[in-house]
Amino acid sequence: SQQGEEDPQALSIQEGENATMNCSYKTSINNLQWYRQNSGRGLVHLILIRSNEREKHSGRLRVTLDTSKKSSSLLITASRAADTASYFCATKSYGKLTFGQGTILTVHP
Amino acid sequence: GAVVSQHPSRVICKSGTSVKIECRSLDFQATTMFWYRQFPKQSLMLMATSNEGSKATYEQGVEKDKFLINHASLTLSTLTVTSAHPEDSSFYICSARGGLAGGWGEQFFGPGTRLTVL
Repeated sequence: SQQGEEDPQALSIQEGENATMNCSYKTSINNLQWYRQNSGRGLVHLILIRSNEREKHSGRLRVTLDTSKKSSSLLITASRAADTASYFCATKSYGKLTFGQGTILTVHP
Repeated sequence: GAVVSQHPSRVICKSGTSVKIECRSLDFQATTMFWYRQFPKQSLMLMATSNEGSKATYEQGVEKDKFLINHASLTLSTLTVTSAHPEDSSFYICSARGGLAGGWGEQFFGPGTRLTVL
């Protein structure tokens, strides 16, 4: 069953702007991961944040995790047209990854 | 990261036929493999989990007799869609994890297989 709810479902921005996507989940987790998927393609792993971490950075990506609110956010700074894709959060619990519904991000040049 | 391949990348078949999709871990031993299904503009839904040499564990609502999973070696798992129907048309993605079963290793995803049933 799907655990993660993401918002917004779709996000349209101009190149150079920041994009923020949110993810909420229901059960306790070991870690939370973010993936990107270009249309019709496989998944690209972006970043993993463990349940005992609150914030993590990787290049233009910043992920936060609030286990008390069971939520996470992914911030992409200085977006580029190449960032256009679907972004999914996935929670790991009991050895399984469960994916959220995803956010479709469109970055206009 | 480790590489997972899938074959074929696309397959078109007639209704009523069976289709086999292969998932291989190319540079590591995958003790656990996962199969996901993704409908257009939707998220990935876990279908089943298989540990090498064991029967697959299917998620609720997934017909085990229709989606046959074989994980006979540490580098290969196959998903066979039996008697495929148009509603089985979807994007099937496998994922492989090394290390101890049920454990903490990272999952690596294959590029997916687009199945179209006419």
